[in-house]
Amino acid sequence: AQTVTQSQPEMSVQEAETVTLSCTYDTSESDYYLFWYKQPPSRQMILVIRQEAYKQQNATENRFSVNFQKAAKSFSLKISDSQLGDAAMYFCAYSRTSGTYKYIFGTGTRLKVLA
Amino acid sequence: DAGITQSPRHKVTETGTPVTLRCHQTENHRYMYWYRQDPGHGLRLIHYSYGVKDTDKGEVSDGYSVSRSKTEDFLLTLESATSSQTSVYFCAIRGGAEGTGELFFGEGSRLTVL
Repeated sequence: AQTVTQSQPEMSVQEAETVTLSCTYDTSESDYYLFWYKQPPSRQMILVIRQEAYKQQNATENRFSVNFQKAAKSFSLKISDSQLGDAAMYFCAYSRTSGTYKYIFGTGTRLKVLA
Repeated sequence: DAGITQSPRHKVTETGTPVTLRCHQTENHRYMYWYRQDPGHGLRLIHYSYGVKDTDKGEVSDGYSVSRSKTEDFLLTLESATSSQTSVYFCAIRGGAEGTGELFFGEGSRLTVL
């Protein structure tokens, strides 16, 4: 069975600095999707970034980028120039790309941004 | 906006009573999901559906049942609520452009079982 592990329950970053959130996963599939979702205090789940496993290039969305290490089954999220609005819970998630589309989430990392 | 509506948004009930949460979508997506969110556990999959009358269990399905008689509605039922089922429940749909695999979420339903 697939699993997703986020080993950092909480992280802090100074405003304008860079922070990296860790995620590891386990799967026997060769192709899959990986996602980072953000959940601010409003509770709404917002997609931050996605990565397809067959793509070698790391995904980037403005200040958000990932370091995807397929062999190590690692998928970390880097937030550059952190802003107060980045404070939220961040969830890493996994999904297959074929067959049954079950999405597996990690336990989350709470990010605090210090002014 | 993926057009997902959850109801009710908040509910307080007593142990042993039945509870049904409704998820409604307006965009005709095939896959729908129910998750529960608890501190320290993240989001855990309860049940999901891949079409009308086609459902399957997730990792925490005990005590829950689901039904999908129409494409747009996915119901989650707690036959006899227990305090351990106090949680925030999220409905989600697999949407987005073909091949993106993006999951869209409803706003969540907070359930308190006394």
